[in-house]
Amino acid sequence: EAGVTQFPSHSVIEKGQTVTLRCDPISGHDNLYWYRRVMGKEIKFLLHFVKESKQDESGMPNNRFLAERTGGTYSTLKVQPAELEDSGVYFCASSQVIGDEQFFGPGTRLTVL
Amino acid sequence: AQTVTQSQPEMSVQEAETVTLSCTYDTSESNYYLFWYKQPPSRQMILVIRQEAYKQQNATENRFSVNFQKAAKSFSLKISDSQLGDTAMYFCAFMKLLSGTYKYIFGTGTRLKVLA
Repeated sequence: EAGVTQFPSHSVIEKGQTVTLRCDPISGHDNLYWYRRVMGKEIKFLLHFVKESKQDESGMPNNRFLAERTGGTYSTLKVQPAELEDSGVYFCASSQVIGDEQFFGPGTRLTVL
Repeated sequence: AQTVTQSQPEMSVQEAETVTLSCTYDTSESNYYLFWYKQPPSRQMILVIRQEAYKQQNATENRFSVNFQKAAKSFSLKISDSQLGDTAMYFCAFMKLLSGTYKYIFGTGTRLKVLA
């Protein structure tokens, strides 16, 4: 069974540009989470989808971040316009049931210059 | 607010030796879950071990075991007979129902290097 996949693995963009990150959860997992780790700091929760609905987006930093999960399958996280402080590793995770172990993807390393 | 503290940014251990990674957390709740995740270099995070707060018995998974001290809010990970493949970033995480969802609260991680 395929695990959680994320694309791209690395992205380098300039300040002011737009970037879209993609996450494909494990098939059948209704719950999809986004997290972010800024260099040297803790991994922080961004938001949680249950199928196509946002269950909790309390961790989203500001309105430059937009997450979608149309159709309840894969999810995208768009940053527009990107700022320097958005640099970090963005992790996606999925779980079958709320409260179960979350399975993580390899992350997307975003560098904003 | 819940917080998780990992006070050891980096550690090293000789192959076949035992190492303990520390983790403390702060919560006023009584029901929650604790986890240790491992992220090898350039690879994804995988679950190492999980502990339910209501269980007094410490969780074990082969060479990995925890020392869960609920009153002290401590959750350390012991790796016995360390292997080169244990080299990784280790994250301690706390999970409970918050704002209608279960989400992890992570520590800053401990980078463990196993030396040959």
